[in-house]
Amino acid sequence: GEQVEQRPPHLSVREGDSAFITCTYTDPNSYYFFWYKQEPGASLQLLMKVFSSTEINEGQGFTVLLNKKDTRLSLNLTAAHPGDSAAYFCAAGTGGYKVVFGSGTRLLVSP
Amino acid sequence: EAAVTQSPRNKVAVTGGKVTLSCNQTNNHNNMYWYRQDTGHGLRLIHYSYGAGSTEKGDIPDGYKASRPSQENFSLILELATPSQTSVYFCASGDAKTANSDYTFGSGTRLLVI
Repeated sequence: GEQVEQRPPHLSVREGDSAFITCTYTDPNSYYFFWYKQEPGASLQLLMKVFSSTEINEGQGFTVLLNKKDTRLSLNLTAAHPGDSAAYFCAAGTGGYKVVFGSGTRLLVSP
Repeated sequence: EAAVTQSPRNKVAVTGGKVTLSCNQTNNHNNMYWYRQDTGHGLRLIHYSYGAGSTEKGDIPDGYKASRPSQENFSLILELATPSQTSVYFCASGDAKTANSDYTFGSGTRLLVI
């Protein structure tokens, strides 16, 4: 079945720097993907949902890139600020009733 | 506002005891899910459900049962709790009408088995 490998597990950046997180998925039939953000002690909140038809997806303060050829999904937080400190999870789906999550990246943005 | 509510928020149980984690959703979603979250493993699917009366095994079902008595409620049951089941448990709901539905998560239950 689908497996999703997420890297790095921990990431520390300075305020204003970029933070880059990557997920590699194994099932080339995956056609929709999610990024979730989890602040400390809180639940997961949807950051962005993307489809395989769009390779570059712009959000507020971040960009999600989808490389279908390499089966890679990336999240780039541009100009990170301390409020971005959280755990980030990617997920991939093939149209069934469940998606597969990556193991998460704990991001720390220091002033 | 549509939501997923979990109870209890925190639970301490003794080894061998029975634990029931409850989840209620007001999203009118057919699909519901139970995950556990452990450091280094991310979210792992325990059980899920397509609707009232349905329960399906996820990726790590051993030691857990699930019950979906209604559209709104989905419970996770640990008949004989073990310390290895100490974790944070998340319930989620998803819309079955769209195959690519995102999930709405509850706030989580922290379970400590001693």
